[in-house]
Amino acid sequence: SQQGEEDPQALSIQEGENATMNCSYKTSINNLQWYRQNSGRGLVHLILIRSNEREKHSGRLRVTLDTSKKSSSLLITASRAADTASYFCATAGTASKLTFGTGTRLQVTL
Amino acid sequence: SQTIHQWPATLVQPVGSPLSLECTVEGTSNPNLYWYRQAAGRGLQLLFYSVGIGQISSEVPQNLSASRPQDRQFILSSKKLLLSDSGFYLCAWSVGSVYEQYFGPGTRLTVT
Repeated sequence: SQQGEEDPQALSIQEGENATMNCSYKTSINNLQWYRQNSGRGLVHLILIRSNEREKHSGRLRVTLDTSKKSSSLLITASRAADTASYFCATAGTASKLTFGTGTRLQVTL
Repeated sequence: SQTIHQWPATLVQPVGSPLSLECTVEGTSNPNLYWYRQAAGRGLQLLFYSVGIGQISSEVPQNLSASRPQDRQFILSSKKLLLSDSGFYLCAWSVGSVYEQYFGPGTRLTVT
C-alpha cells in the first residue's frame, strides 16, 4: 500500500512562479526522498532529507520535513517549462526498500 | 559510473503468453534490486526486491515472479500473462543503508 500521499494531485503554474508540493506519511522513517518522473521515463532522484533534518536545499529545490506531523514539502522556485513532470515522495524505514507516494503532476506553462 | 539497463523498452503480448523482463546494473557490486509496476497516471507499486543473489522478497501476491541469478541481474517473469499485468515496469537499484534509488528507463507492457 502507498504510505505517502502527495497533495495536490495536479498543479498548474506559469513559468517563473514557485511550485509547492506536500507529502504526508504514516509510519516512522529514516529518511524521505523526492523523485521526478518525466512522462514515459524512469524516476530521477532529486533530494534526500534525513529524519533528524528539518530543511535542505539543492539549487532551486527546498525540502522541509516535519516528523511530528509526518509531512514534507518540496518547493521549486522560479519554475521553468522543463520542470513539467510528476513528482513523488518516498519514505525509507528500516527495511531495504522505499515506499512511494501517489505523486503530484506539475505543469509549467510559458 | 553506474548504469542500469532494462529491456525491452516496449512489449505487446497476448493474454496467456509468458513474460521475461531483464534488468542489469553495471558499475556497482552487491546492489539492492527492485521491480516496480506503475499503472497509467498512478504511483509506483513495489513488486519484488532483492538484497542479494537468490534472495527475493515479494510485496504483492500476483501472477508474477522474480529471480536474481547473478549479482547485477534481476529478472521479472510470468508463466501466463493477464490483462491486468499491463503497465509500466521499472527496475531500480540502490546500495548502502540510505536506499536512494536509481531507475532504469522502464518497459511498457501491453497485454492484449
